[in-house]
Amino acid sequence: ELKVEQNPLFLSMQEGKNYTIYCNYSTTSDRLYWYRQDPGKSLESLFVLLSNGAVKQEGRLMASLDTKARLSTLHITAAVHDLSATYFCAVEKLVFGKGTKLTVNP
Amino acid sequence: EAGVAQSPRYKIIEKRQSVAFWCNPISGHATLYWYQQILGQGPKLLIQFQNNGVVDDSQLPKDRFSAERLKGVDSTLKIQPAKLEDSAVYLCASSLYRRNTEAFFGQGTRLTVV
Repeated sequence: ELKVEQNPLFLSMQEGKNYTIYCNYSTTSDRLYWYRQDPGKSLESLFVLLSNGAVKQEGRLMASLDTKARLSTLHITAAVHDLSATYFCAVEKLVFGKGTKLTVNP
Repeated sequence: EAGVAQSPRYKIIEKRQSVAFWCNPISGHATLYWYQQILGQGPKLLIQFQNNGVVDDSQLPKDRFSAERLKGVDSTLKIQPAKLEDSAVYLCASSLYRRNTEAFFGQGTRLTVV
């Protein structure tokens, strides 16, 4: 059974700081997705990573995929309050992790 | 382009009643997913359709949940009879192909079973 683990599950950080969210998965996969969810809202697609070594960046967020290590990272650079949300990774046929609730404090 | 449409947005029912949710995917999207998201958790896949065929329903509680996608477009998810633990948001998503493309999610239906 495919398992997806994210850590940390909760992250409180200050504006301007950098941090990384980790996503580990249990079986071989060559595709990984990152989504964002705001409270009471649906999921918004952020990144689709389709090969080993894939790196994608959008604004202050950068995602990478290491299929050999079965690991993806979502790096946040110089966080701003607007990034506060829950971030999910998903693997294969969209098996989701539990999410990382990010709070960016002034 | 129009997004994934779901209705109703909210539903409150008593336990043992039945309920149905409707989803209209993005035009041209062959793959349709139904997810259950309990508060504070990640979405859990219930069923995946490719056109009007079921690809994966391994986590669908088939004694009470059913889903169909007639004509490979709209889909309905039904719960009968509902239990208290079915209280959750039910999300529908669609994608162009089964592999390698992201899924786009609807706003969801928030179900409360009392």
